[in-house]
Amino acid sequence: SQTIHQWPATLVQPVGSPLSLECTVEGTSNPNLYWYRQAAGRGLQLLFYSVGIGQISSEVPQNLSASRPQDRQFILSSKKLLLSDSGFYLCAWSVGSELVAQHFGDGTRLSIL
Amino acid sequence: GESVGLHLPTLSVQEGDNSIINCAYSNSASDYFIWYKQESGKGPQFIIDIRSNMDKRQGQRVTVLLNKTVKHLSLQIAATQPGDSAVYFCAEIAAGNQFYFGTGTSLTVIP
Repeated sequence: SQTIHQWPATLVQPVGSPLSLECTVEGTSNPNLYWYRQAAGRGLQLLFYSVGIGQISSEVPQNLSASRPQDRQFILSSKKLLLSDSGFYLCAWSVGSELVAQHFGDGTRLSIL
Repeated sequence: GESVGLHLPTLSVQEGDNSIINCAYSNSASDYFIWYKQESGKGPQFIIDIRSNMDKRQGQRVTVLLNKTVKHLSLQIAATQPGDSAVYFCAEIAAGNQFYFGTGTSLTVIP
């Protein structure tokens, strides 16, 4: 069966520091991968998605970037964190091109001080 | 733009009662709908899905109803248990695998 792992679960970082959040999927090949941010009481905001190695699409302009160095690895990064980058970050995967469910990891709670 | 929203932000039910959580969507061309459950501090968990060519689908203790005429989706949970307490939100999937997520309804089960 497929599993998705995100780490770390929580992270506290100072303003201006770099960021690297990692997500890996097991049990499937060539998944679609997604990074979302979830603000309290609000819906999921899609940040990035990837349909293959090295293929990244950005949904909103921001202080973050994403990379997919391997088929089942998706990384969310920043060179310099802002206070506004605080939030709950979720990684998700799906397989197929149309009408398929996304499955989520357990998220990373990022606090910027 | 498209929107997916929920009628009620919070819902409290007695243990053992049935729960009904509602969701409105605006894109009549959407073909696929999903309900997710999200417990505190965790990621959303897939509960049940339904395609637009159906109006009802049942799972274990859960039923999803789709009314395309009024663009309404509901999740029914039978014999609600304390472990059902969570935020539930719907997702609407349109052409090109475009996902739109609702903000969620917080369900509290009273023992």
